[in-house]
Amino acid sequence: AQKITQTQPGMFVQEKEAVTLDCTYDTSDQSYGLFWYKQPSSGEMIFLIYQGSYDEQNATEGHYSLNFQKARKSANLVISASQLGDSAMYFCAMREGRDSGTYKYIFGTGTRLKVLA
Amino acid sequence: KAGVTQTPRYLIKTRGQQVTLSCSPISGHRSVSWYQQTPGQGLQFLFEYFSETQRNKGNFPGRFSGRQFSNSRSEMNVSTLELGDSALYLCASSLGGRFGNQPQHFGDGTRLSIL
Repeated sequence: AQKITQTQPGMFVQEKEAVTLDCTYDTSDQSYGLFWYKQPSSGEMIFLIYQGSYDEQNATEGHYSLNFQKARKSANLVISASQLGDSAMYFCAMREGRDSGTYKYIFGTGTRLKVLA
Repeated sequence: KAGVTQTPRYLIKTRGQQVTLSCSPISGHRSVSWYQQTPGQGLQFLFEYFSETQRNKGNFPGRFSGRQFSNSRSEMNVSTLELGDSALYLCASSLGGRFGNQPQHFGDGTRLSIL
């Protein structure tokens, strides 16, 4: 079973509009972390935002925010006011295994976002 | 603070050869993970080293191996290279401790091409 599911292989958004990239996860751990990364065409993976399983407030970082719905096991990335430089592949990831001591990072398959001028 | 450094950036090898990739983590980071990224398979976890010990391992054949040195620098070795090993190999470092709020920071990757 997929631990991290990103159902949108590709998306388009008009510049300056908001867009939501979906991510659902599956874990039996009580303590875990959720991350989003951006990978531009140049290849480097850039850490964007983090949400802890015990955090009650949704994380925000610049024009990125994470819509965390724990009961639904979803951690969607919201990009407000999209910019051309936001065009990239976006990966959702989870760190679990604190209870078992394995501390694994698990990545989704990614969503390719294209921002249109 | 210097980021994660991977060397070399590009590598061309032929089938049957072996290759060693290097990764220097961010200073103070004790965990180093390796990933293989291909267009068809996405980002696949190879293994993770923490304090010189392999802590996690993905589902790759034994041709893929790694190690970590006392200064946290890590190397990954692939023996008997196959055409399917052509990929971008990413190294990521993190503090590696018990707390979940520790993102991995990635290097620019080594692009390996097998002829």
